[in-house]
Amino acid sequence: KAGVTQTPRYLIKTRGQQVTLSCSPISGHRSVSWYQQTPGQGLQFLFEYFSETQRNKGNFPGRFSGRQFSNSRSEMNVSTLELGDSALYLCASSQYPGPNQPQHFGDGTRLSIL
Amino acid sequence: DQQVKQNSPSLSVQEGRISILNCDYTNSMFDYFLWYKKYPAEGPTFLISISSIKDKNEDGRFTVFLNKSAKHLSLHIVPSQPGDSAVYFCAALNNAGNMLTFGGGTRLMVKP
Repeated sequence: KAGVTQTPRYLIKTRGQQVTLSCSPISGHRSVSWYQQTPGQGLQFLFEYFSETQRNKGNFPGRFSGRQFSNSRSEMNVSTLELGDSALYLCASSQYPGPNQPQHFGDGTRLSIL
Repeated sequence: DQQVKQNSPSLSVQEGRISILNCDYTNSMFDYFLWYKKYPAEGPTFLISISSIKDKNEDGRFTVFLNKSAKHLSLHIVPSQPGDSAVYFCAALNNAGNMLTFGGGTRLMVKP
């Protein structure tokens, strides 16, 4: 069974640009969450989608947005990139939201802002 | 304000011995706890979880203990193997949703 697939694996952008990251969940998984990992802040929750609806959003500015498609694939978008957006962006999926469904992570997209 | 804390940034253990990784939390609304292992250049891998209605959950070499009154949990790995060397993250969930709150991680090094 294929795992969570994130594309691209690496990305270099400059300040002010915008970026879209993609996540394909494990087949049959309908819940997708996004996390940001930085050396200073650790792993932080960005947002969670289930059945194409955003259920929760973390404490990030409006420049960070996302969406989920009918096939459960998800994208996140960051506009007007800042140097501090350099991070590893991780996507996780589970069959349904909730504690009895452990989230399984992809290997992430490493975004570097120059 | 860190709601989940792993106070030891690193831990070194001899192969075959027990590794004990600790985690403390402050939010009493957390009712489910998970441990993840992370190798460099890979995403976190789910290891084991525990509900707040239990105080122990075991899966092979991995056992998680929860002390709800102390708001403390620990992961025991026995016997430790060199392949266990990785960063271990403690995470917590509450009933409000699917939002994992992570600790800062502990780097475990198992020496042969």
